Amino acid sequence: KQEVTQIPAALSVPEGENLVLNCSFTDSAIYNLQWFRQDPGKGLTSLLLIQSSQREQTSGRLNASLDKSSGRSTLYIAASQPGDSATYLCAVTSGSRLTFGEGTQLTVNP
Amino acid sequence: DGGITQSPKYLFRKEGQNVTLSCEQNLNHDAMYWYRQDPGQGLRLIYYSQIVNDFQKGDIAEGYSVSREKKESFPLTVTSAQKNPTAFYLCASRTVGSGYGYTFGSGTRLTVV
Repeated sequence: KQEVTQIPAALSVPEGENLVLNCSFTDSAIYNLQWFRQDPGKGLTSLLLIQSSQREQTSGRLNASLDKSSGRSTLYIAASQPGDSATYLCAVTSGSRLTFGEGTQLTVNP
Repeated sequence: DGGITQSPKYLFRKEGQNVTLSCEQNLNHDAMYWYRQDPGQGLRLIYYSQIVNDFQKGDIAEGYSVSREKKESFPLTVTSAQKNPTAFYLCASRTVGSGYGYTFGSGTRLTVV
């Protein structure tokens, strides 16, 4: 059974700092990995989708990497802003299932 | 704009009552999913459907039922058999195939009163 772990569970940083969120998964037989953002009481917004054959994806200040063989992904956020404050969820697709980590709650302080 | 619409945003259920959560998508996606989110437990899969008139149980299907009569719609019924239904419910959809990601709705918060 696929298991996804995210570290740290919570992170508080000053505005402008670069930061890295970590995700690991136990079964490397994945189709893709997706990073989501969730604001309190809201649905999930997809940030980046990395196919199993890819090593990284970039969107604006966000960069996600994937090392399938070691079962790891990182989400790099450059020049963080207070508006980046949210919970970030990592999820992997294996077969017909999407398995989530429990998320990293990020707070960016002005 | 294409997307997933969940309604209502908030729902209150009395003990012993069945309630139905709506999920509609206009993305022409084949597959639809229902997840439950509880604090400290992440998202758990309730039911999913990859084609009209067919659906499969997820990890926590007990006390829930679904139907998939149309490609665009995948309603979830929370029955009285679900003993702890208070949670945030999220619907998702995607095109079937290994290269496609998931799109999520804005969620329904269900509270038992």
